[in-house]
Amino acid sequence: GQNIDQPTEMTATEGAIVQINCTYQTSGFNGLFWYQQHAGEAPTFLSYNVLDGLEEKGRFSSFLSRSKGYSYLLLKELQMKDSASYLCAYTNAGKSTFGDGTTLTVKP
Amino acid sequence: DAGVIQSPRHEVTEMGQEVTLRCKPISGHNSLFWYRQTMMRGLELLIYFNNNVPIDDSGMPEDRFSAKMPNASFSTLKIQPSEPRDSAVYFCASSFLIAHLSPNEQFFGPGTRLTVL
Repeated sequence: GQNIDQPTEMTATEGAIVQINCTYQTSGFNGLFWYQQHAGEAPTFLSYNVLDGLEEKGRFSSFLSRSKGYSYLLLKELQMKDSASYLCAYTNAGKSTFGDGTTLTVKP
Repeated sequence: DAGVIQSPRHEVTEMGQEVTLRCKPISGHNSLFWYRQTMMRGLELLIYFNNNVPIDDSGMPEDRFSAKMPNASFSTLKIQPSEPRDSAVYFCASSFLIAHLSPNEQFFGPGTRLTVL
């Protein structure tokens, strides 16, 4: 994706906590979204932030700092089924720009 | 609700042929998006519609690609003529945009896997 970066791959252990970072640069900004995509499937919505701070949603939390152009997705109590690609995307005037995704592998 | 519906799920065609991909958004949603996903380029926005009107088509690769939304419940993406480099997964997504500047969670269809030989 353009002007939006995230690590390509991460590996973590079942039961652990993992943080996936995302940085972006854009002149117009309405929100930052996180999507999960399992191999061969469509992306599904996980979380979004409009204002600075932490949004918690069960095992998943997302943080945003608009001044730093930075977000992270925090996954707690990792499960094998969390192995997937995680896409961050910023929205501007109704249009979303996606990062290339971070492939997370959860190992037993 | 059945979610976003796309057809066909898989399409294999030969170079030069016309390809038409179809999408039915979630009922009540007012925005529709067409994306293309490849390993090399990730998830790219091709075009999006709001209230059936194309708002941004800057991602459409070239004149071979065209998209229409004749009504709130149907959209097509056409490639004519198709080329091997068009091989990708094409996703349609819909959302309900309250205001032009509001954030919008998008709901994705299952995608159409296109292979152009």
